Amino acid sequence: QVQLQESGPGLVKPSQTLSLTCTVSGGSISSASYYWSWIRQPAGKGLEWIGRIYTSGGTNYNPSLKSRVAISVDTSKNQFSLKLSSVTAADTAVYYCARSGMVVATNWLDPWGQGTLVTVSS
Amino acid sequence: EIVLTQSPGTLSLSPGERATLSCRASQSVSSSYLAWYQQKPGQAPRLLIYGASIRATGVPDRFSGSGSGTDYSLTISRLEPEDFAVYYCQQYGFSPYTFGQGTKVEIK
Repeated sequence: QVQLQESGPGLVKPSQTLSLTCTVSGGSISSASYYWSWIRQPAGKGLEWIGRIYTSGGTNYNPSLKSRVAISVDTSKNQFSLKLSSVTAADTAVYYCARSGMVVATNWLDPWGQGTLVTVSS
Repeated sequence: EIVLTQSPGTLSLSPGERATLSCRASQSVSSSYLAWYQQKPGQAPRLLIYGASIRATGVPDRFSGSGSGTDYSLTISRLEPEDFAVYYCQQYGFSPYTFGQGTKVEIK
């Protein structure tokens, strides 16, 4: 079964760029049937969908973050990545990656990675 | 964007009791594109329900979802000790794909 694992720095300085990678195992990220998403959750708070990418490179972003977000895919490494620029303390959160279906009727998120905590602090 | 409002914020119940969680959308959710997730402390959310009423693989049948349009609910027929957690609804019909703020089901 497909498993996802986030990785990246746990500490990022304010105004810098947060960079995370999600490694997919147990299946090919190049499958034509799926989108690959990023979601975040500040401590003690709810979930916020950040955006997603299709393996062709097509992306959708949350308008609230669109000016600062870039999601890319590396099919040779079976990975996709998140970059969030000009971070502030408000970007401190657990960041999750997840898979969703290609067709809108299958756009639920499953499975999820275990999540990785990113703290923005000087 | 579609705003999802979950109620109550916290539900205090005993094992064996029935739990009913509500999720109300600010506008109709297209074709019942609504999912429910369970999250335990320190863990990632786990998909329970999609399409408003379809249980995900491996989800016990004590979990059921219902609703349409703007009003949805998740029912846990008899609470087991492992069901005490936070539950989130999510709509996936319109981008951005939004979540409710969560309902915590705690042991009374």
